Amino acid sequence: ETGVTQTPRHLVMGMTNKKSLKCEQHLGHNAMYWYKQSAKKPLELMFVYNFKEQTENNSVPSRFSPECPNSSHLFLHLHTLQPEDSALYLCASSQAVGFQGLEKLFFGSGTQLSVL
Amino acid sequence: DQQVKQNSPSLSVQEGRISILNCDYTNSMFDYFLWYKKYPAEGPTFLISISSIKDKNEDGRFTVFLNKSAKHLSLHIVPSQPGDSAVYFCAAGGGKLIFGQGTELSVKP
Repeated sequence: ETGVTQTPRHLVMGMTNKKSLKCEQHLGHNAMYWYKQSAKKPLELMFVYNFKEQTENNSVPSRFSPECPNSSHLFLHLHTLQPEDSALYLCASSQAVGFQGLEKLFFGSGTQLSVL
Repeated sequence: DQQVKQNSPSLSVQEGRISILNCDYTNSMFDYFLWYKKYPAEGPTFLISISSIKDKNEDGRFTVFLNKSAKHLSLHIVPSQPGDSAVYFCAAGGGKLIFGQGTELSVKP
């Protein structure tokens, strides 16, 4: 496999469920990101990890909990979500954070999440 | 407050003609700018970028123009092809990338 892989592609969950989104990158990158895309809105940055350390939490509610066990894997743990959290969740990676020109992001295909 | 804006949600162009997608930004500290293309059910893919020290970058049918004084960049696609139909996001960087809301381009045969 190459690039950035996200699973599952689609997820439907109730507000009381707990689920996790998984992302894996095979590009040898050191930075990984979670973005949220709602309809007709800009991509919203949620979390950034650089060399496994979280460097950005963009005021994301605590019902979203990221985990980065190594530079190749990124998880987003979900619990007690709200219907307004329904969106496309995109994972991305880049060579590193904070180096001009190196922040070209490579995205996965996303997880389309529906919260009922 | 949105730092990167794409004011046209959609654009329709005839095949073979030029497509011009526009993007405005507010932060003069942005160092570089990128365009991404997104097909339905796929993640965005990198298309072309430009550093703040340049005013033009060309890659095949795609050219990005940067007007720093106006805080404006544009993506020109010529000639446009039906396969170019997608949502185009501009992004500006200066430590982290800030995305616009996207413009949906439709190229009609």
